[in-house]
Amino acid sequence: AQTVTQSQPEMSVQEAETVTLSCTYDTSESDYYLFWYKQPPSRQMILVIRQEAYKQQNATENRFSVNFQKAAKSFSLKISDSQLGDAAMYFCAYRSDPKRGNQFYFGTGTSLTVIP
Amino acid sequence: NAGVTQTPKFRVLKTGQSMTLLCAQDMNHEYMYWYRQDPGMGLRLIHYSVGEGTTAKGEVPDGYNVSRLKKQNFLLGLESAAPSQTSVYFCASSPWTGRTEAFFGQGTRLTVV
Repeated sequence: AQTVTQSQPEMSVQEAETVTLSCTYDTSESDYYLFWYKQPPSRQMILVIRQEAYKQQNATENRFSVNFQKAAKSFSLKISDSQLGDAAMYFCAYRSDPKRGNQFYFGTGTSLTVIP
Repeated sequence: NAGVTQTPKFRVLKTGQSMTLLCAQDMNHEYMYWYRQDPGMGLRLIHYSVGEGTTAKGEVPDGYNVSRLKKQNFLLGLESAAPSQTSVYFCASSPWTGRTEAFFGQGTRLTVV
């Protein structure tokens, strides 16, 4: 089984500032997919961004971007111009190529507080 | 656009009681999953299914059973509830394509007293 590690249980950021959430994973596979999910107090799991391992270019979605370092097995999430609505639990997730496995593996989450 | 729907959203059980959580998806996804979420432990996979009529154990299967008689439904059963099963339960589904994320239901908060 793959392991996903989020070493920051809690983080805080000032409104309008930038914050980076860390995620590392352990795998021997070369093809896989990585995701960041946001879970606000409503409990709903919302996809923030995805990255295919075969793509060298880092994914970007508006204020959200990733720093994908395949050799280091690192997948950090950068949130720019933080807003109060960004306050949530953030989960990093790993998915194998479906030809080899069908499971999603999740980290333990990072709780982000946005300070007005 | 219902997506993934879980029933019920909240439930309180007494120790030893049984119950079934229902998950329904309308996206024709092949894969379905049941996770439990506990503070500080993230989401842990209980059971999953790769297609109608198939199920497999995940990381924490003990005390739970599942069935997938129809492609769109995935049931999670607790035969004899224990306080250790107090948790938030999430159902998710995904298609075969790897780049596609898992789609989640709203979660069920279960308390066993």
